[in-house]
Amino acid sequence: QQQVRQSPQSLTVWEGETAILNCSYEDSTFDYFPWYHQFPGESPALLIAIRPVSNKKEDGRFTIFFNKREKKFSLHIADSQPGDSATYFCAASLYGSSGNKLIFGIGTLLSVKP
Amino acid sequence: EAAVTQSPRSKVAVTGGKVTLSCHQTNNHDYMYWYRQDTGHGLRLIHYSYVADSTEKGDIPDGYKASRPSQENFSLILELASLSQTAVYFCASSVSYEQYFGPGTRLTVL
Repeated sequence: QQQVRQSPQSLTVWEGETAILNCSYEDSTFDYFPWYHQFPGESPALLIAIRPVSNKKEDGRFTIFFNKREKKFSLHIADSQPGDSATYFCAASLYGSSGNKLIFGIGTLLSVKP
Repeated sequence: EAAVTQSPRSKVAVTGGKVTLSCHQTNNHDYMYWYRQDTGHGLRLIHYSYVADSTEKGDIPDGYKASRPSQENFSLILELASLSQTAVYFCASSVSYEQYFGPGTRLTVL
């Protein structure tokens, strides 16, 4: 059963536009929400993450908006660049003594056209 | 910087054969994970470990075993490889929340 839902599966934006990627989750005990990006032929790499004590996290052009009540979070990529073209995965987890078991969404393939 | 290596980087196996994928980390991290990646499914957790000589089942453990003989090494074992296990396998390590991924192993079962 998929516990983290991600949409859209693919997204095309023009250079300079804001790309918006969405995720929702079911388990209210999750306490960590990262976004990873993955370029073709490479491994996933952490882009930005948020804990539910905040409803917004910014890092340069990348911003996570978090809505605990609705169990949704989104990634906004401002001033999108062709180099941002990649697959983006949201994830959620509950960190415990046995580690951080990430549950990933299915991914969004982002294409930024120049 | 964190370093997670995997071997082999690619492998072709025959149905019913045994396959061992290896992962080595030099991060001194306690936690290690094995994921598989398939188109349309993202990454799914197979097994994980939080201490040497102990492994735990993840979300899709069927058909896989894991071994953690030391803090640095974590192996994924397919005793009887099947066609459905064709995928890219990623190992990761962490000390807390952030996970560092290895380069992946592309496994093709014929």
